[in-house]
Amino acid sequence: DTEVTQTPKHLVMGMTNKKSLKCEQHMGHRAMYWYKQKAKKPPELMFVYSYEKLSINESVPSRFSPECPNSSLLNLHLHALQPEDSALYLCASSPSGGMGEQYFGPGTRLTVT
Amino acid sequence: DQQVKQNSPSLSVQEGRISILNCDYTNSMFDYFLWYKKYPAEGPTFLISISSIKDKNEDGRFTVFLNKSAKHLSLHIVPSQPGDSAVYFCAASADGDTGGFKTIFGAGTRLFVKA
Repeated sequence: DTEVTQTPKHLVMGMTNKKSLKCEQHMGHRAMYWYKQKAKKPPELMFVYSYEKLSINESVPSRFSPECPNSSLLNLHLHALQPEDSALYLCASSPSGGMGEQYFGPGTRLTVT
Repeated sequence: DQQVKQNSPSLSVQEGRISILNCDYTNSMFDYFLWYKKYPAEGPTFLISISSIKDKNEDGRFTVFLNKSAKHLSLHIVPSQPGDSAVYFCAASADGDTGGFKTIFGAGTRLFVKA
């Protein structure tokens, strides 16, 4: 299995809702990532988990809360988001969290109304 | 401030000819450079990479060149095929401030290969 899966594919939520994005990989990778991508912009790193520990938090607002329940799963909990948080949220994994290539999921398209 | 820049938003090339995609970076601490390809409705997929100790890496039709003194890298695709039409992201990796490695992406170049 060489896939990174993300659910849901699309999500529309109000500013008072609480929702979660899920990401899963079964490649035995020990690093997992969340990126945010706005239209015509590059993916921007949000969080890095390495061996199930948060190793990088790029000063992301606390309304985004990551969770890594085990080495295969990565969640992003969303609460009290703003319309400007609407974007494509990409999950990725890599074998060890080094500088090498990452494997990306197809993303979750989030719209905040 | 963009640390990785792809100044051409789009590029159009005839099938069979060479495609050259360019990328500039500003941070001399970057140690590793990668190119990703992205089709619509899919996540980016890794294409080719190069370490900062090399100046060229080749994989089939794809070659990446690195000029460290100019802080410039380029991706050559030859011959170009219609299936190569996609958005190409340049990316660079370095140690993060608090441990771990960070990857910074450029804004992407959309390549059109005309049959």
